Amino acid sequence: KQEVTQIPAALSVPEGENLVLNCSFTDSAIYNLQWFRQDPGKGLTSLLLIQSSQREQTSGRLNASLDKSSGRSTLYIAASQPGDSATYLCAVHSGGGADGLTFGKGTHLIIQP
Amino acid sequence: DGGITQSPKYLFRKEGQNVTLSCEQNLNHDAMYWYRQDPGQGLRLIYYSQIVNDFQKGDIAEGYSVSREKKESFPLTVTSAQKNPTAFYLCARSIGRNSGNTIYFGEGSWLTVV
Repeated sequence: KQEVTQIPAALSVPEGENLVLNCSFTDSAIYNLQWFRQDPGKGLTSLLLIQSSQREQTSGRLNASLDKSSGRSTLYIAASQPGDSATYLCAVHSGGGADGLTFGKGTHLIIQP
Repeated sequence: DGGITQSPKYLFRKEGQNVTLSCEQNLNHDAMYWYRQDPGQGLRLIYYSQIVNDFQKGDIAEGYSVSREKKESFPLTVTSAQKNPTAFYLCARSIGRNSGNTIYFGEGSWLTVV
């Protein structure tokens, strides 16, 4: 059964820093990996989707990489801003079982002004 | 809202009552999903549907029921058989479940048992 782990569970950094969030998964046979942002009490907003054949995706200050063979993905946030404060979740689409999408528990990020 | 609307935002249920959460999408997507989120936990799949009049159980379907009579609508009923229903419920959509496309979420519904 696919398991997704996100480290760290929480992170607090000063504004302006570059930071990396980590996601690892146990089964490398995946279709894609998706990063989401969740603000308190809100739904999830899709940030980046990386297909299994891709190595990375970029959107603005966000860059997500995927190393399928090692079961790892990273979300790089450049020049962090207080508005980046949120919980970031990764989800892996394995395509098996009742549904292929397995979520991590998220990293709670606080950017200090 | 990602083209998907959930209502109500907040709902209170008495013990023994059934309640229904609404989920509507306006983008003609085939696949729709219901997830449950508990504090400090990842999302867990309740039910999903790939086409009209068809749906499949997820990992935690017990105590829940769904219908998919129209493509744009996928309501979730939390029955009295669900012993711990207090949670945040999220509906989602995607073009197709097996195509590896982006999944989009609604704003969620908070259900509290009183």
